[in-house]
Amino acid sequence: DVKVTQSSRYLVKRTGEKVFLECVQDMDHENMFWYRQDPGLGLRLIYFSYDVKMKEKGDIPEGYSVSREKKERFSLILESASTNQTSMYLCASRRDSGANVLTFGAGSRLTVL
Amino acid sequence: GQNIDQPTEMTATEGAIVQINCTYQTSGFNGLFWYQQHAGEAPTFLSYNVLDGLEEKGRFSSFLSRSKGYSYLLLKELQMKDSASYLCAVREESGNTPLVFGKGTRLSVIA
Repeated sequence: DVKVTQSSRYLVKRTGEKVFLECVQDMDHENMFWYRQDPGLGLRLIYFSYDVKMKEKGDIPEGYSVSREKKERFSLILESASTNQTSMYLCASRRDSGANVLTFGAGSRLTVL
Repeated sequence: GQNIDQPTEMTATEGAIVQINCTYQTSGFNGLFWYQQHAGEAPTFLSYNVLDGLEEKGRFSSFLSRSKGYSYLLLKELQMKDSASYLCAVREESGNTPLVFGKGTRLSVIA
């Protein structure tokens, strides 16, 4: 089974801090995604990556950046955390092609104080 | 634009049948996914429809009508463990495009 591992399940950070959320998958998937999930808003796409060194903006990229230096790792960076970035962050991966199933990590719940 | 609608919440009784609807208006269509998400856990894949008709997988079935922009997920013989959110997601284009998710339907199964 594909495993998508998010390094932190729970984080508490202060406004203005730089935050790194790490995601690693172990099945050589080309595509990786970062979503945030908020009550009443569902899953919203922040950034995605088709392959190493490639990145594309999703629907809500403002305040975020990403890094994909290795195929298995996709990092989400909050340069200066704000309280409105308090959320559940979900990483997902899939083999090349949109017809393939997304496999999600367990999520990282970030609280910004 | 893109619009995927699902009911926000539903309640059903253990042992019963429930149908969760999803309507979509998207710029293109190349398939529809259903995912299940238990509280505090990751979404997990349930079904994928790309052609019209019904796909059955045990107690769960998913139906698609492309002409109507409509899908439903049918859960039979409901169990308490089926209490979860159910997410409808559309693949708009072929190739490596991201899915567009609906806001999800929270299903509560009661005794």
